[in-house]
Amino acid sequence: GENVEQHPSTLSVQEGDSAVIKCTYSDSASNYFPWYKQELGKGPQLIIDIRSNVGEKKDQRIAVTLNKTAKHFSLHITETQPEDSAVYFCAASRTGANSKLTFGKGITLSVRP
Amino acid sequence: GAVVSQHPSRVICKSGTSVKIECRSLDFQATTMFWYRQFPKKSLMLMATSNEGSKATYEQGVEKDKFLINHASLTLSTLTVTSAHPEDSSFYICSAPWSVLDTQYFGPGTRLTVL
Repeated sequence: GENVEQHPSTLSVQEGDSAVIKCTYSDSASNYFPWYKQELGKGPQLIIDIRSNVGEKKDQRIAVTLNKTAKHFSLHITETQPEDSAVYFCAASRTGANSKLTFGKGITLSVRP
Repeated sequence: GAVVSQHPSRVICKSGTSVKIECRSLDFQATTMFWYRQFPKKSLMLMATSNEGSKATYEQGVEKDKFLINHASLTLSTLTVTSAHPEDSSFYICSAPWSVLDTQYFGPGTRLTVL
């Protein structure tokens, strides 16, 4: 089955700096890669996703890149703000949102004011 | 985006009792919903896939007789933890795919504490 690895496990950045979180996946048939932000005591919130037919997607301060050959995808957050502090999970699935997601272990992002 | 709700948000029960958790898609229909379990500072572990009109599909190692899932309608799935024990204490989260954007949305989670 699919295996998603996420690194680093923690990341601390200064407010205003950029943060990059990387994930690798093992199943070459995976074609859907969402990123979720989870705040303490809450459910995960979808922040951006990408499908295998594109290499990059951007939404304001957030972007995701996908390298299918290397089987890795990354989340980029620019101009970080304290409210970006949370746990971020990457995930992968084979046939889009209707199929089960395999999650990475998560990374705790801390943005220092 | 789409909205998924869960009820209750928190529940405390005595050991041996059963607890039902509801997951609703508020403004869209979902023939499939997913149930996850999350331990503190850990990732989400998929427990089962809830299918409207048919039996749920359980992940390996998840006891189907202990975690009963019923997909009662196109907007409602329930998870019943039967004969709960302290080791069942956890954060339970459901998700539902929204076909319009082909994305999966999560509920706010239910914190279960078994005394």
